[in-house]
Amino acid sequence: AQSVAQPEDQVNVAEGNPLTVKCTYSVSGNPYLFWYVQYPNRGLQFLLKYITGDNLVKGSYGFEAEFNKSQTSFHLKKPSALVSDSALYFCAVRPYGSTSGTYKYIFGTGTRLKVLA
Amino acid sequence: SQTIHQWPATLVQPVGSPLSLECTVEGTSNPNLYWYRQAAGRGLQLLFYSVGIGQISSEVPQNLSASRPQDRQFILSSKKLLLSDSGFYLCAWSGDRNTEAFFGQGTRLTVV
Repeated sequence: AQSVAQPEDQVNVAEGNPLTVKCTYSVSGNPYLFWYVQYPNRGLQFLLKYITGDNLVKGSYGFEAEFNKSQTSFHLKKPSALVSDSALYFCAVRPYGSTSGTYKYIFGTGTRLKVLA
Repeated sequence: SQTIHQWPATLVQPVGSPLSLECTVEGTSNPNLYWYRQAAGRGLQLLFYSVGIGQISSEVPQNLSASRPQDRQFILSSKKLLLSDSGFYLCAWSGDRNTEAFFGQGTRLTVV
């Protein structure tokens, strides 16, 4: 079965410190990978995506993510966290190839990031 | 530019009443459309997706149905709401295969 795992329910980090939010996936083929952020009672906002090419992708608000094919991971990172980064973060995959379900986005369960002042 | 509209923002409905949530997309044609439900502010469950007018795929058996009467309109419905239908409903659209999905602002449904 295709799935996305975000092993941490919550990540706490001090303001100014680097942050990492973990994501691993299990899908057939080469998926497209995405990160989204959600603020309370709002829709999801797109942060960044990996399609192909350089394993390190940069996105909005200073976030970046590293794709590791051998570990099937796509961890979200930021060199210096801000209090305003506190939100719920979702990793998502979209299968690519001839398998069914290539139109679907499969989301992880989300990781709550709390940046402490 | 493309925009997605979802309404209403909040809705309180009695058990047994009907439901209709509407989502429309502007600025694109033939989008893929999705309905997700988010329970307790956490994971997203894909309910329905559509790759064209009248083409609806259901992901989980439930008390809900979806329709796509026009290219950029996606409707989520129920004939009789259950308490368990409460949640945060999100509509989304995507274009070609390698693009991200774009989400509406969501509808908070409370069934009482």
